Amino acid sequence: ETGVTQTPRHLVMGMTNKKSLKCEQHLGHNAMYWYKQSAKKPLELMFVYSLEERVENNSVPSRFSPECPNSSHLFLHLHTLQPEDSALYLCASSQDFGEAFFGQGTRLTVV
Amino acid sequence: QKEVEQNSGPLSVPEGAIASLNCTYSDRGSQSFFWYRQYSGKSPELIMSIYSNGDKEDGRFTAQLNKASQYVSLLIRDSQPSDSATYLCAVRQGAGGSYRPTFGRGTSLIVHP
Repeated sequence: ETGVTQTPRHLVMGMTNKKSLKCEQHLGHNAMYWYKQSAKKPLELMFVYSLEERVENNSVPSRFSPECPNSSHLFLHLHTLQPEDSALYLCASSQDFGEAFFGQGTRLTVV
Repeated sequence: QKEVEQNSGPLSVPEGAIASLNCTYSDRGSQSFFWYRQYSGKSPELIMSIYSNGDKEDGRFTAQLNKASQYVSLLIRDSQPSDSATYLCAVRQGAGGSYRPTFGRGTSLIVHP
């Protein structure tokens, strides 16, 4: 595996479900990010981790909970989501907050 | 609020022409500038990064940065239909600034045969 890998690629969940998105980077980077991309909107940064420590949290609702157990893995735990949370969720990694490399994304639909 | 502005387009150019994509930013402290290409339904892919004033060329792509005027542009020479995508401009402050690159909304490019 190379680059940044996200699983699952597609996810449909009900508003009462709990699910997790997974991201793994094989680039040896020290920073990882979660972004949300909705239709007709710019990329929205959700969370930034540097060396497994959260360094930025952009007023994201608590129904989104990130976890970074080590510098290669990043999770986004989801619970009691709303239909407006349906979007493409992108993970990215970079070295020293430089050029970011994105995973393939998870297309999330909340029903 | 630090802004990155791009014309949403679509920008339509004939095959073989030069496509010119522009981006302006509001934060004078910005130090790092990136161009990404995003095909429909796919994730953004880094094309170019530029850090100092002037031009940077990579194959058919040229990034141009003018910090005094606070704009960065991307030129695509000999445009191909496969270049049809949305192009995202991202801007990041230097050391001590925000960790995040701020993205523009993107410009949709259509290259027609």
